[in-house]
Amino acid sequence: EADIYQTPRYLVIGTGKKITLECSQTMGHDKMYWYQQDPGMELHLIHYSYGVNSTEKGDLSSESTVSRIRTEHFPLTLESARPSHTSQYLCASGGGFEQFFGPGTRLTVL
Amino acid sequence: QQQVKQSPQSLIVQKGGISIINCAYENTAFDYFPWYQQFPGKGPALLIAIRPDVSEKKEGRFTISFNKSAKQFSLHIMDSQPGDSATYFCATYLLVSARQLTFGSGTQLTVLP
Repeated sequence: EADIYQTPRYLVIGTGKKITLECSQTMGHDKMYWYQQDPGMELHLIHYSYGVNSTEKGDLSSESTVSRIRTEHFPLTLESARPSHTSQYLCASGGGFEQFFGPGTRLTVL
Repeated sequence: QQQVKQSPQSLIVQKGGISIINCAYENTAFDYFPWYQQFPGKGPALLIAIRPDVSEKKEGRFTISFNKSAKQFSLHIMDSQPGDSATYFCATYLLVSARQLTFGSGTQLTVLP
């Protein structure tokens, strides 16, 4: 079944830890996106990719980095997590006006 | 960055009532105006979308009304049900934009039984 997956769903870590949020899609989409969703619900684009070896920063400045080595995989990494990184992170894929979102990773940094 | 202004931030409606969410956009020729629906613990999902050459699009109980001259579009949910309780995002889609989708700030809808 074509889908988009995110792991972990929930993550609680201490300050200074390195983390990687995983995102995979089985729909064969070239375009993938990472959004940060704050408690006020707003969706902020932090990274996007148009294909393998293509990554760009989005509208919201983020200390995270991304990589796109395979079409189906778009992981997000934080080298040193801080409490200000506490948020919901949503991965999406797809071109056109329909983007397919994963269930999100809720990150809490203590 | 082009902004999309969405209102209200929250909305409470009785079961069977009409829910109306409004969005306004800035001066750009967008290609589509989609609406997304997000349930708690889930990512947003496309609900309905309209092209700028159409004034209204209806899918079941959901209708988009589009006013090109006013640069506004709205989502109407007829006969609102408790199962419609979710967060709704309007968006603008521009094919030539690197980011393509720009979302509004979201409306949290609660439909009371």
